Amino acid sequence: DAGVIQSPRHEVTEMGQEVTLRCKPISGHNSLFWYRQTMMRGLELLIYFNNNVPIDDSGMPEDRFSAKMPNASFSTLKIQPSEPRDSAVYFCASSFTRGSTDTQYFGPGTRLTVL
Amino acid sequence: EDKVVQSPLSLVVHEGDTVTLNCSYEVTNFRSLLWYKQEKKAPTFLFMLTSSGIEKKSGRLSSILDKKELFSILNITATQTGDSAVYLCALDSGGYQKVTFGIGTKLQVIP
Repeated sequence: DAGVIQSPRHEVTEMGQEVTLRCKPISGHNSLFWYRQTMMRGLELLIYFNNNVPIDDSGMPEDRFSAKMPNASFSTLKIQPSEPRDSAVYFCASSFTRGSTDTQYFGPGTRLTVL
Repeated sequence: EDKVVQSPLSLVVHEGDTVTLNCSYEVTNFRSLLWYKQEKKAPTFLFMLTSSGIEKKSGRLSSILDKKELFSILNITATQTGDSAVYLCALDSGGYQKVTFGIGTKLQVIP
């Protein structure tokens, strides 16, 4: 089983550029989560999807951030334009929701550096 | 707003010591409390706790929840250098698994 796949693993970009992070959840999982982790704020939930539908995006920091899940096997998190304060590790996680808590499996993360 | 507070923030112990990591929380709708271990990569799942007073155990790690006092502890006995990691406590409080994470406790085990 491949687990949650994220790409790229590392990205360094200049301020103002568009950044797109990609995630492939575990096959059969119906919930997908995007997290951001920094030293100062720890792990923060940005947005989560259930059956490809965004359920709660209240964690998205501002309009520069957007996320899509066009199908059950792919999601993107886009930052446009990027800023240095967006530098963080971005994790994608997936789970199979059966009406009670199910373990979220995390991808390896994308380390983003915005110069 | 749901809240998860972990303590201590950082801990350094010698191999063989026993450590206790604390997690207190405030929540409007408790579903479960989760513990994760994070080394230099993604968090990995340790325990899920839903009922008070029932200890979950996995090898040298164990955890228990107190829903009356709103806290959980994670114990690690006979620590090893491989236990060095950040331990995250998380609260599941809503539909579709809305999860709030604590800032984590960084544990360093020295030989």
